[in-house]
Amino acid sequence: DGGITQSPKYLFRKEGQNVTLSCEQNLNHDAMYWYRQDPGQGLRLIYYSQIVNDFQKGDIAEGYSVSREKKESFPLTVTSAQKNPTAFYLCASSMRGALVDFFGQGTRLTVV
Amino acid sequence: GEDVEQSLFLSVREGDSSVINCTYTDSSSTYLYWYKQEPGAGLQLLTYIFSNMDMKQDQRLTVLLNKKDKHLSLRIADTQTGDSAIYFCAQEPGTGANNLFFGTGTRLTVIP
Repeated sequence: DGGITQSPKYLFRKEGQNVTLSCEQNLNHDAMYWYRQDPGQGLRLIYYSQIVNDFQKGDIAEGYSVSREKKESFPLTVTSAQKNPTAFYLCASSMRGALVDFFGQGTRLTVV
Repeated sequence: GEDVEQSLFLSVREGDSSVINCTYTDSSSTYLYWYKQEPGAGLQLLTYIFSNMDMKQDQRLTVLLNKKDKHLSLRIADTQTGDSAIYFCAQEPGTGANNLFFGTGTRLTVIP
């Protein structure tokens, strides 16, 4: 079955540590996205990538980094520079120029 | 910039209709979307409407778009307990980029 796989589902990080969230898709989609979800707030775009080896900052990119070395994979690194990283992170994908209709199950990151 | 607003909570009795409202600011949006998020899960695209349409019906779902007031609504007929979830309104900016701007989400609780 085609879809988006995010791992892990739950992640705990100590303050000051970097952590990488995995997102893999087997839908042959060109575009991939990372969103952050906080209680009582809408989803906010962190980074997106329209094509391999290219990505753009979203609205809240500070403290995050991404790479897009393969079409299937779009990992997100939450760095120690991110002041408030505890949140639910959603990865999504779409055909280039098409609406975003596939989301992963999310990773809940907690800083302890 | 783009801004999408929704009320945070809605409670309805099973069998009644639910109406979830959304206002947006970007009048040049080409598509507006409704997503559903069940507890601990990713988002699921429910339906979308093209900006030159006033209404779209899909089984129990009816989307109404008032472009003059920049108001979008989602009506769920015969609401069931399985409809309990968070519903997100989202708009695609008119800039041509295919990232989305999401509202805060409305938590729908269906009372048996």
